[in-house]
Formats: sequence, structure tokens, C-alpha cells
Amino acid sequence: QSVLTQPPSVSAAPGQKVTISCSGSSSNIENNYVSWYQQFPGTAPKLLIYENNRRPSGIPDRFSGSKSGTSATLGITGLQTGDEADYYCGTWDASLRAEEFGGGTKLTVL
Amino acid sequence: QITLKESGPTLVKPTQTLTLTCTISGFSLTSSGVAVSWIRQPPGKALEWLALIYWDDDKYYSPSLKTRLTITKDTSKNQVVLTMTNMDPVDTATYYCAYRKIYGDYEPWGQGTLVTVSS
Repeated sequence: QSVLTQPPSVSAAPGQKVTISCSGSSSNIENNYVSWYQQFPGTAPKLLIYENNRRPSGIPDRFSGSKSGTSATLGITGLQTGDEADYYCGTWDASLRAEEFGGGTKLTVL
Repeated sequence: QITLKESGPTLVKPTQTLTLTCTISGFSLTSSGVAVSWIRQPPGKALEWLALIYWDDDKYYSPSLKTRLTITKDTSKNQVVLTMTNMDPVDTATYYCAYRKIYGDYEPWGQGTLVTVSS
């Protein structure tokens, strides 16, 4: 059971927007940077968002990140079928002195 | 270009000790701020962070697995090694090593190595 809570699944139609939430606490999300990862079946995770809202080079601006208090959100606009993947949030937990990942959210583009 | 590659046994028996090696290139394990983590993913399940080692040999472990894990580095070989004792079938997973950037994001990751625990 992760200390970071994500919805197991979200879905939306192509071209639409979707958000994925990541809920934590003051010992993790509220006081540390949040990262987001995209993972396709059979492949390693790929960094999508770092330091709450920054995109690595090559990540389209359809992907965005935000944080407020003990929660973080990944937003994806202009959904494409190629966005179907699992998405994970991650951050440091100062109380546990450990890295934490959310339980993952499966995105379906209908 | 930073790369990481995991290696180790694909099959271990219950109660045995697992030793995995992460061979890195494109950066030095002695450079200030550098860190590498091990992360695993059971089939069909979520990512689970295991351990982290910094350039200065500072180490952190998953609280739930701390008693079974040891992370070390060999700077001369550019390798980070993870050992996990008393393996159980529930430890069957793909094990990844990943480069940890200064504020905790991981990129890149190795390709992963699937370890199956079975008698």
C-alpha cells in the first residue's frame, strides 16, 4: 500500500483532456518535488514531469504538472491513442526517509 | 549520454540471496550529487522503490525491506550492486536501476531485468 494515492484508472476520448491525481501528505508531496512517469507495457518508465511542473526535453507541452498542498496533478490535453499507458507519481518522503511511488493510473483513450 | 544496465540471475530459489548489478556509463559514481536507486515492479503491479546510494556512500532503504537489502557501489567498475536476502516467490519482479537527479526525479532508467523466484 503506497503512501501516495492515485486513481487506478482514468479514461477519455481522443482530443479531450484528462487529469490524474496523486494524493499524499506533509511529509512527502507538500514539502518535496513531485515527478511523473509514463510506462508502456514491457518497457521501463520514462520521466514525464519533474520538479512538480517541468518537462524534460522532448516531452510535448500537452503534458503538464501542478502541485497544491499535499496533492499533485498530471494533466494531459489533446489525448492521443498513443498516450495509453500507466502513469506514476513519485516523491521523497522525509518521515520514512524513502522514495515513494503512487500505485499507478492506467489511462485509456476511448 | 547516461546509460544504466541491470544484470543478474533470471531465476533464484526461495531462501536464496539475490545479487543484481547495475553497470553505469556517462557519469561517475564519485561526482558530487550523483545517486542511483533500485526499483522493482512485480508483474502487473506498481513500481516499488527499494534502495538509494549517493556518491558519498550515503544509503537509504525501503522501510519494509530494509532488513533484507544491501546497496553498495564499486567506483572502479562503475557498478552499483543490490543484494536481497531470503528471496520469496512474492519477490518475483522486474528490477530496475535508475539515475536519480538532484531533486529526486529518475531519468534515465535501465531496461530492467526480470527475476523469477521459484523452486
